[in-house]
Amino acid sequence: GAGVSQSPSNKVTEKGKDVELRCDPISGHTALYWYRQSLGQGLEFLIYFQGNSAPDKSGLPSDRFSAERTGGSVSTLTIQRTQQEDSAVYLCASSLGRLAGGTDTQYFGPGTRLTVL
Amino acid sequence: AQSVSQHNHHVILSEAASLELGCNYSYGGTVNLFWYVQYPGQHLQLLLKYFSGDPLVKGIKGFEAEFIKSKFSFNLRKPSVQWSDTAEYFCAVNPQGAAGNKLTFGGGTRVLVKP
Repeated sequence: GAGVSQSPSNKVTEKGKDVELRCDPISGHTALYWYRQSLGQGLEFLIYFQGNSAPDKSGLPSDRFSAERTGGSVSTLTIQRTQQEDSAVYLCASSLGRLAGGTDTQYFGPGTRLTVL
Repeated sequence: AQSVSQHNHHVILSEAASLELGCNYSYGGTVNLFWYVQYPGQHLQLLLKYFSGDPLVKGIKGFEAEFIKSKFSFNLRKPSVQWSDTAEYFCAVNPQGAAGNKLTFGGGTRVLVKP
Protein backbone atom coordinates (compact mmCIF):
# COMPACT_ATOMS: atom_id res chain seq x y z
CA GLY A 1 0.00 0.00 0.00
CA ALA A 2 0.96 3.64 -0.22
CA GLY A 3 3.32 4.99 2.34
CA VAL A 4 3.66 8.45 3.78
CA SER A 5 4.07 11.02 1.03
CA GLN A 6 5.45 14.52 1.27
CA SER A 7 5.54 17.44 -1.10
CA PRO A 8 7.45 19.15 -2.44
CA SER A 9 10.52 16.94 -2.34
CA ASN A 10 12.74 19.99 -2.61
CA LYS A 11 12.06 23.62 -1.86
CA VAL A 12 14.42 26.52 -2.34
CA THR A 13 13.29 29.85 -0.96
CA GLU A 14 14.68 33.22 -0.11
CA LYS A 15 15.20 34.39 3.42
CA GLY A 16 12.08 36.06 4.76
CA LYS A 17 9.61 34.18 2.59
CA ASP A 18 6.94 31.84 3.95
CA VAL A 19 6.87 28.16 2.98
CA GLU A 20 4.32 25.39 3.30
CA LEU A 21 5.25 21.73 3.43
CA ARG A 22 2.66 19.02 2.98
CA CYS A 23 2.33 15.53 4.41
CA ASP A 24 -0.11 12.80 3.42
CA PRO A 25 -0.08 10.06 6.07
CA ILE A 26 -0.84 6.40 5.55
CA SER A 27 -4.58 5.89 5.28
CA GLY A 28 -6.09 4.93 8.61
CA HIS A 29 -3.23 6.30 10.69
CA THR A 30 -4.54 8.62 13.36
CA ALA A 31 -1.17 9.86 14.61
CA LEU A 32 1.05 12.21 12.61
CA TYR A 33 4.46 13.63 13.49
CA TRP A 34 6.82 16.20 12.06
CA TYR A 35 10.57 15.98 12.59
CA ARG A 36 13.49 17.98 11.28
CA GLN A 37 16.83 16.56 10.20
CA SER A 38 19.65 19.06 10.02
CA LEU A 39 23.43 18.85 10.05
CA GLY A 40 23.88 20.64 13.31
CA GLN A 41 20.95 19.26 15.28
CA GLY A 42 20.39 15.75 13.96
CA LEU A 43 16.83 14.44 13.97
CA GLU A 44 14.56 16.44 16.23
CA PHE A 45 10.86 16.27 17.01
CA LEU A 46 8.71 19.24 16.04
CA ILE A 47 5.01 18.51 16.53
CA TYR A 48 2.63 15.58 17.03
CA PHE A 49 -1.06 15.17 16.19
CA GLN A 50 -3.22 12.41 17.61
CA GLY A 51 -6.79 12.21 16.38
CA ASN A 52 -8.83 15.18 17.51
CA SER A 53 -6.66 15.92 20.53
CA ALA A 54 -4.76 19.18 20.86
CA PRO A 55 -1.38 18.78 19.14
CA ASP A 56 1.86 18.47 21.09
CA LYS A 57 3.80 21.50 19.86
CA SER A 58 6.62 21.20 22.35
CA GLY A 59 9.29 20.73 19.68
CA LEU A 60 8.55 23.76 17.53
CA PRO A 61 11.68 25.94 17.62
CA SER A 62 9.96 29.31 17.35
CA ASP A 63 6.59 30.94 16.77
CA ARG A 64 7.47 31.18 13.08
CA PHE A 65 6.66 27.47 12.87
CA SER A 66 3.10 26.19 12.85
CA ALA A 67 1.28 23.12 11.64
CA GLU A 68 -2.25 22.03 11.10
CA ARG A 69 -3.96 18.81 10.27
CA THR A 70 -7.20 19.09 8.41
CA GLY A 71 -9.86 16.42 8.64
CA GLY A 72 -7.57 14.17 10.60
CA SER A 73 -5.51 13.36 7.53
CA VAL A 74 -3.30 15.72 5.54
CA SER A 75 -1.00 18.00 7.48
CA THR A 76 0.73 21.23 6.50
CA LEU A 77 3.82 22.60 8.23
CA THR A 78 4.20 26.33 7.71
CA ILE A 79 7.37 28.29 8.31
CA GLN A 80 6.96 32.04 8.24
CA ARG A 81 9.75 34.52 7.51
CA THR A 82 12.23 31.74 6.81
CA GLN A 83 15.78 32.04 8.07
CA GLN A 84 18.91 30.30 6.83
CA GLU A 85 19.01 28.15 9.95
CA ASP A 86 15.66 26.68 8.89
CA SER A 87 17.44 24.83 6.07
CA ALA A 88 16.95 21.15 6.78
CA VAL A 89 15.08 18.05 5.70
CA TYR A 90 11.59 18.06 7.16
CA LEU A 91 10.28 14.56 7.80
CA CYS A 92 6.72 13.50 8.37
CA ALA A 93 5.75 10.22 9.99
CA SER A 94 2.47 8.55 10.79
CA SER A 95 1.37 5.68 12.99
CA LEU A 96 -1.80 3.82 13.82
CA GLY A 97 -2.05 5.71 17.08
CA ARG A 98 -4.02 2.93 18.72
CA LEU A 99 -1.32 1.42 20.87
CA ALA A 100 -0.85 2.97 24.27
CA GLY A 101 2.40 3.92 25.85
CA GLY A 102 4.47 4.91 22.87
CA THR A 103 4.80 1.51 21.27
CA ASP A 104 3.45 2.46 17.85
CA THR A 105 5.77 2.07 14.90
CA GLN A 106 6.19 5.35 13.09
CA TYR A 107 6.42 5.18 9.30
CA PHE A 108 8.41 7.98 7.74
CA GLY A 109 7.98 9.81 4.49
CA PRO A 110 10.81 10.74 2.11
CA GLY A 111 11.10 14.25 3.49
CA THR A 112 11.15 17.74 2.04
CA ARG A 113 14.58 19.29 1.65
CA LEU A 114 14.27 23.00 2.42
CA THR A 115 17.04 25.37 1.42
CA VAL A 116 16.82 28.98 2.54
CA LEU A 117 19.11 31.29 0.59
CA ALA B 1 14.09 15.22 29.22
CA GLN B 2 15.60 12.15 27.67
CA SER B 3 18.68 12.11 25.46
CA VAL B 4 20.29 9.50 23.23
CA SER B 5 23.98 9.09 22.42
CA GLN B 6 25.46 7.11 19.59
CA HIS B 7 29.16 6.81 20.13
CA ASN B 8 30.36 6.22 16.61
CA HIS B 9 29.62 8.78 13.95
CA HIS B 10 31.24 6.81 11.15
CA VAL B 11 32.05 3.13 10.79
CA ILE B 12 33.86 1.56 7.85
CA LEU B 13 34.14 -2.18 7.55
CA SER B 14 34.45 -4.93 4.98
CA GLU B 15 31.80 -7.38 3.90
CA ALA B 16 31.37 -10.35 6.24
CA ALA B 17 32.73 -8.37 9.18
CA SER B 18 30.64 -8.12 12.33
CA LEU B 19 28.95 -4.85 13.21
CA GLU B 20 28.08 -3.40 16.58
CA LEU B 21 26.72 0.11 16.99
CA GLY B 22 26.47 1.61 20.42
CA CYS B 23 23.46 3.46 21.79
CA ASN B 24 23.04 4.86 25.29
CA TYR B 25 20.10 6.82 26.57
CA SER B 26 19.51 9.06 29.50
CA TYR B 27 16.09 8.93 31.13
CA GLY B 28 14.88 8.28 34.65
CA GLY B 29 12.00 6.01 33.76
CA THR B 30 11.17 3.11 31.49
CA VAL B 31 11.56 3.63 27.78
CA ASN B 32 10.66 2.09 24.47
CA LEU B 33 13.69 1.65 22.24
CA PHE B 34 13.99 1.68 18.47
CA TRP B 35 16.59 1.36 15.76
CA TYR B 36 15.84 2.99 12.42
CA VAL B 37 17.90 2.78 9.23
CA GLN B 38 18.16 5.17 6.31
CA TYR B 39 19.61 3.65 3.15
CA PRO B 40 21.09 6.04 0.59
CA GLY B 41 18.30 7.93 -1.13
CA GLN B 42 15.59 6.23 0.89
CA HIS B 43 13.45 7.20 3.83
CA LEU B 44 13.84 6.12 7.43
CA GLN B 45 12.56 2.65 8.15
CA LEU B 46 12.27 0.61 11.31
CA LEU B 47 14.84 -2.14 11.91
CA LEU B 48 13.61 -3.32 15.30
CA LYS B 49 12.03 -2.17 18.54
CA TYR B 50 11.94 -3.17 22.19
CA PHE B 51 9.18 -2.58 24.71
CA SER B 52 9.42 -5.36 27.26
CA GLY B 53 10.23 -9.03 27.70
CA ASP B 54 13.30 -10.73 26.21
CA PRO B 55 15.99 -8.04 26.11
CA LEU B 56 17.46 -9.56 22.95
CA VAL B 57 15.37 -8.35 20.06
CA LYS B 58 15.62 -9.61 16.50
CA GLY B 59 14.75 -7.36 13.61
CA ILE B 60 14.77 -7.38 9.85
CA LYS B 61 17.75 -8.18 7.63
CA GLY B 62 19.59 -10.17 10.29
CA PHE B 63 19.93 -7.33 12.78
CA GLU B 64 19.47 -7.75 16.50
CA ALA B 65 19.79 -5.49 19.52
CA GLU B 66 20.25 -6.09 23.21
CA PHE B 67 18.72 -3.96 25.91
CA ILE B 68 20.89 -3.76 29.02
CA LYS B 69 18.90 -1.82 31.58
CA SER B 70 21.77 -1.41 34.03
CA LYS B 71 23.87 0.24 31.35
CA PHE B 72 21.05 2.24 29.74
CA SER B 73 22.18 0.73 26.47
CA PHE B 74 20.55 -0.71 23.37
CA ASN B 75 23.35 -1.75 21.06
CA LEU B 76 22.69 -2.94 17.52
CA ARG B 77 24.52 -5.93 16.09
CA LYS B 78 24.84 -7.92 12.91
CA PRO B 79 27.18 -10.90 12.75
CA SER B 80 28.10 -10.56 9.08
CA VAL B 81 27.43 -7.38 7.10
CA GLN B 82 26.81 -7.05 3.41
CA TRP B 83 27.52 -4.18 1.07
CA SER B 84 23.78 -3.45 1.08
CA ASP B 85 23.98 -2.60 4.79
CA THR B 86 25.66 0.68 3.88
CA ALA B 87 23.34 3.20 5.48
CA GLU B 88 22.87 5.59 8.37
CA TYR B 89 21.54 4.04 11.56
CA PHE B 90 19.58 5.89 14.23
CA CYS B 91 18.75 4.85 17.75
CA ALA B 92 15.61 6.39 19.25
CA VAL B 93 13.65 6.27 22.50
CA ASN B 94 10.37 7.43 23.93
CA PRO B 95 9.10 7.14 27.48
CA GLN B 96 6.76 4.25 28.15
CA GLY B 97 3.27 5.28 29.06
CA ALA B 98 3.69 8.77 27.70
CA ALA B 99 0.68 10.45 26.20
CA GLY B 100 2.61 11.16 23.05
CA ASN B 101 4.87 8.97 21.00
CA LYS B 102 7.44 11.53 20.02
CA LEU B 103 10.83 9.98 19.48
CA THR B 104 14.15 11.31 20.70
CA PHE B 105 16.88 10.29 18.26
CA GLY B 106 20.59 9.82 18.60
CA GLY B 107 22.91 11.63 16.21
CA GLY B 108 23.14 8.66 13.86
CA THR B 109 25.99 6.44 12.72
CA ARG B 110 27.02 6.28 9.10
CA VAL B 111 28.09 2.79 8.15
CA LEU B 112 30.06 2.10 4.98
CA VAL B 113 30.54 -1.52 4.00
CA LYS B 114 33.29 -2.03 1.48
CA PRO B 115 32.77 -4.84 -1.01
